[in-house]
Amino acid sequence: TQLLEQSPQFLSIQEGENLTVYCNSSSVFSSLQWYRQEPGEGPVLLVTVVTGGEVKKLKRLTFQFGDARKDSSLHITAAQPGDTGLYLCAGGSGNQFYFGTGTSLTVIP
Amino acid sequence: EAQVTQNPRYLITVTGKKLTVTCSQNMNHEYMSWYRQDPGLGLRQIYYSMNVEVTDKGDVPEGYKVSRKEKRNFPLILESPSPNQTSLYFCASIGLPSTDTQYFGPGTRLTVL
Repeated sequence: TQLLEQSPQFLSIQEGENLTVYCNSSSVFSSLQWYRQEPGEGPVLLVTVVTGGEVKKLKRLTFQFGDARKDSSLHITAAQPGDTGLYLCAGGSGNQFYFGTGTSLTVIP
Repeated sequence: EAQVTQNPRYLITVTGKKLTVTCSQNMNHEYMSWYRQDPGLGLRQIYYSMNVEVTDKGDVPEGYKVSRKEKRNFPLILESPSPNQTSLYFCASIGLPSTDTQYFGPGTRLTVL
């Protein structure tokens, strides 16, 4: 089993603050994905990163893949209540996917 | 609308009573997969299928069976459910060769008494 550890597990912040969520592993992945999941729904893909050192931006969200392809981070600028949800990272290796334990984010208006 | 559907959405059953959770996708995707989600453990892959008649074990296959007789369907079978299989189950699909986007179903919440 290839473990992906996310930190922090829970995060509660005020609207307008910035935050970073981390996803770390001892394993190398061919790709790394970030998802957001809302209660009662399945995860929805936010981004896929495949190249070590890659940085992708999606509006206020910035995703980075570590140089060694073992870790990733998600940075949200000026968080909004609509960003509230469970954020999951997932690593692709061969034909399988390994998910992190998730970061539950609450943005307080 | 491109989607993955699962049925039932909620199921309460008793130990040992065989059950099937259906999964269907309308995107002609080759790759389909089943996950279970448990608090503190994240999503764990149960089984996956690269194409029709091709299935492989994921990280937690014990107590589960799958079949892939048609491209669009990938049912999850619990021959003799036990309480430790109480969980939230998700089906997902990917259109190969790109693995960029994994589409998830809405989930099935299973309780085994």
